[in-house]
Amino acid sequence: QVQLQESGPGLVKPSETLSLTCTVSGYSISSGYYWGWIRQPPGKGLEWIGSMFHSGSTYYNPSLKSRVTISVDTSKNQFSLKLSSVTAADTAVYYCARVVMTTVSTDFDYWGQGTLVTVSS
Amino acid sequence: SYVLTQPPSVSVAPGQTARITCGGNNIGSKSVHWYQQEPGQAPVLVVHDDSDRPSGIPERFSGSNSGNTATLTISRVEAADEADYYCQVWDSSSDHAVFGTGTKVTVL
Repeated sequence: QVQLQESGPGLVKPSETLSLTCTVSGYSISSGYYWGWIRQPPGKGLEWIGSMFHSGSTYYNPSLKSRVTISVDTSKNQFSLKLSSVTAADTAVYYCARVVMTTVSTDFDYWGQGTLVTVSS
Repeated sequence: SYVLTQPPSVSVAPGQTARITCGGNNIGSKSVHWYQQEPGQAPVLVVHDDSDRPSGIPERFSGSNSGNTATLTISRVEAADEADYYCQVWDSSSDHAVFGTGTKVTVL
């Protein structure tokens, strides 16, 4: 069974960089699939942040692209998210997920439980 | 950018049928996926590629997609179906995933 678990600081100061890691178990990241991040501000809907293949190919939400970096560490079976210059608007529950990406479709079939990150001084 | 519009809420009595719509420009040409999110929980994929169900999802969940509207249908609604539901597509014109605005299903 594929399982994902987010980890990282729950509180980040404005203008600093948010850093989260997703640890995957039950499946080897290097075996395939894209791996991605989605966030959900309190009381609001879902927003895709970006996705990355283990070989390095990435897709980012155009609205966040200038501030986002997703990377993969196959040796640890983890992938990470960095979001720079955060503001209160970046306060959200951050989810990591496995991405099923084909030539005609992309969906998210396994999700982590999510981690709340609050941006505040 | 591509926009997906859902009704904010749908109410349904137990045993009846709930239909949740997802509107988008020519959405029928895209593959639509649906997620169920219970309070405080991560989303769960309940329908992918318009009408396919992942393993373990009850047959009561079905999907369709045509023209400018995709629909998630929940038959024989149960109290456990009370949750938020989101549609999602991949916008190939800008290479990014788009989620709908979300619909809260209330079981009366």
